[in-house]
Amino acid sequence: QSALTQPRSVSGSPGQSLTISCTGTSSDVGGYDYVSWYQQHPGKAPKLMIYDVTKRPSGVPDRFSGSKSGNTASLTISGLQAEDEADYYCCSFAGSYSRSFGTGTKVTVL
Amino acid sequence: QVQLQESGPGLVKPSETLSLTCTVSGGSMRSYYWSWIRQPPGKGLEWIGYIYYSGSTNYHPSLKSRVTISVDTSKNQFSLKLISVTAADTAVYYCARELGVGSPLDYWGPGILVTVSS
Repeated sequence: QSALTQPRSVSGSPGQSLTISCTGTSSDVGGYDYVSWYQQHPGKAPKLMIYDVTKRPSGVPDRFSGSKSGNTASLTISGLQAEDEADYYCCSFAGSYSRSFGTGTKVTVL
Repeated sequence: QVQLQESGPGLVKPSETLSLTCTVSGGSMRSYYWSWIRQPPGKGLEWIGYIYYSGSTNYHPSLKSRVTISVDTSKNQFSLKLISVTAADTAVYYCARELGVGSPLDYWGPGILVTVSS
């Protein structure tokens, strides 16, 4: 059960779009449509942003969207805003009733 | 609105047992799974394990030999015990709720920093 692979950092200017990838295997990301994404500001608990690959909880702006192709899931932030600067973690069901988190990506708004 | 709050010692000596409790308010524990997740300083999230409200558990394979999660629905609490701790167990520990296996972690506690040091 290894951590899912994410880029260490990504950056963009306000108003731009950026995408964060999350690569796993057929035993986790590729095997189930149970990928979720969490936003974490410094010193705060993670906040659920996307679940079941593409679904948004109530209250999450529609600027955030999710997708998956094969063993790689992606989170896209459209119309980047200053408050989107945070760490982002993907998470996938990994079979045998367990889950794996991604390595985390720091998003910087330039 | 469901709220979770972690509590317990912030300092534990090496080789001793780390014990934390998560108190759930604003909702019932029934029909949900209750998880522990940790985050070493400056590092990523690591799932520790979960307990169903009825008592069934599942743990991360690398921690399975040292972890016990228990639940007391009469107090709306669930607990984490981690034995034989080392400095590598220093982390912020979060409790969280999930609807079912594979479901997202939708409510989180604020987290508690536990330092392992003599």
